[in-house]
Amino acid sequence: AQSVTQLDSQVPVFEEAPVELRCNYSSSVSVYLFWYVQYPNQGLQLLLKYLSGSTLVKGINGFEAEFNKSQTSFHLRKPSVHISDTAEYFCAVSDSNYQLIWGAGTKLIIKP
Amino acid sequence: NAGVTQTPKFQVLKTGQSMTLQCAQDMNHNSMYWYRQDPGMGLRLIYYSASEGTTDKGEVPNGYNVSRLNKREFSLRLESAAPSQTSVYFCASSEIRGINEQYFGPGTRLTVT
Repeated sequence: AQSVTQLDSQVPVFEEAPVELRCNYSSSVSVYLFWYVQYPNQGLQLLLKYLSGSTLVKGINGFEAEFNKSQTSFHLRKPSVHISDTAEYFCAVSDSNYQLIWGAGTKLIIKP
Repeated sequence: NAGVTQTPKFQVLKTGQSMTLQCAQDMNHNSMYWYRQDPGMGLRLIYYSASEGTTDKGEVPNGYNVSRLNKREFSLRLESAAPSQTSVYFCASSEIRGINEQYFGPGTRLTVT
């Protein structure tokens, strides 16, 4: 069965510094990959998704992610974070039954 | 265009009480989902409805029932609440299951004492 691992439960980073949030999944079978963001006390919203094509995917708010099939990874990056990026970020993978499997989430903490 | 709406926003129940969480979407989506979110565990799927008239169990269905009332509405019922059901519950919808973006409601924070 497909599983998703977000290696860091929290990532503290200074404002205007770059950040990478890591996501690995278990199966290299064709998958669809997603990153969602959850701001405090809100529901989740889609940041970006990979279905096929270019392995570098650009999303909202300056985020991007790279699909690496050989390493079964889909890491999220932003070159310069802002205080407004404080949120929890979830990686999700659609398995062969079209079920979304979710990672446990990574809290991005921006230090002024 | 409200997207996905959920009621209530907050609820406190005593052990053994029942309640229904309501969810509605106005995007004409085919698929709807109920998740629970617990600290450090991400989202876990309780039930989903791939299309109007169908419902299926997800990862953690025990203690819950659902009804897909029509294309817009998908309710979640707790028949006899237990403290282990204290959680934040999210409803979501998507055009088609799996490859389309899921749109989430604001959540219901449920405490069972």
